[in-house]
Amino acid sequence: EIVMTQSPATLSVSPGERASLSCRASQGITTNLAWYQQKPGQAPRLLMFGASTRATRIPARFSGSGSGAEFTLTISSLQSEDVAVYYCQQYNRRPYTFGQGTKLEIK
Amino acid sequence: QEQLVQSGAEVKKPGASVKVSCKASGYTLTSYELSWVRQATGQALEWMGWMSPNTGNTGYAEKFQGRVTMTRNTSINTAYLELSSLRSDDTAVYYCARGRLGLDSWGQGTLVTVSS
Repeated sequence: EIVMTQSPATLSVSPGERASLSCRASQGITTNLAWYQQKPGQAPRLLMFGASTRATRIPARFSGSGSGAEFTLTISSLQSEDVAVYYCQQYNRRPYTFGQGTKLEIK
Repeated sequence: QEQLVQSGAEVKKPGASVKVSCKASGYTLTSYELSWVRQATGQALEWMGWMSPNTGNTGYAEKFQGRVTMTRNTSINTAYLELSSLRSDDTAVYYCARGRLGLDSWGQGTLVTVSS
């Protein structure tokens, strides 16, 4: 099983500032990586797939990068509505494992 | 409007089984891969298994092998997750979600509570 490790566990960023979230895979997964945003009481929402392709209706302030085993989700200018938990998931090989999540807070 | 609608909350005793349904509307189940994901309160998402869109073949995470069964009824465009021998640590919200390159549509979730 591929283990996904996210860091940091919690990130506090001021409004308008940049937020960078990391995700590491225990083995290479090329670009078979997705990012999700989950707000309290809601189902997750797909943000990014293929490591760097934004899903439908995702704002341009969200961007993804990386390949192999190291990935980053960047929010260029943090908005209050971006407060959530963010998960990465690999779909290179089943089981399609998730990371433990990064909780993004407003400073 | 493409969406997945799940059945309501369940309360079960330890050792019992639960069956959660997931009805697709606006698209057919035979068009997309379907996964089941669960989440205990305050915990991370946990992928449980998947169903092939064409054949209906299934694959399960090793952790759930022997206890989980994923099925579907294509005539009513509905998928099912059955989990048996329930334990208290199976208490969680269970989601169905479609997609292969990322899960792009999710059901609203079904809370399953296991308690004596």
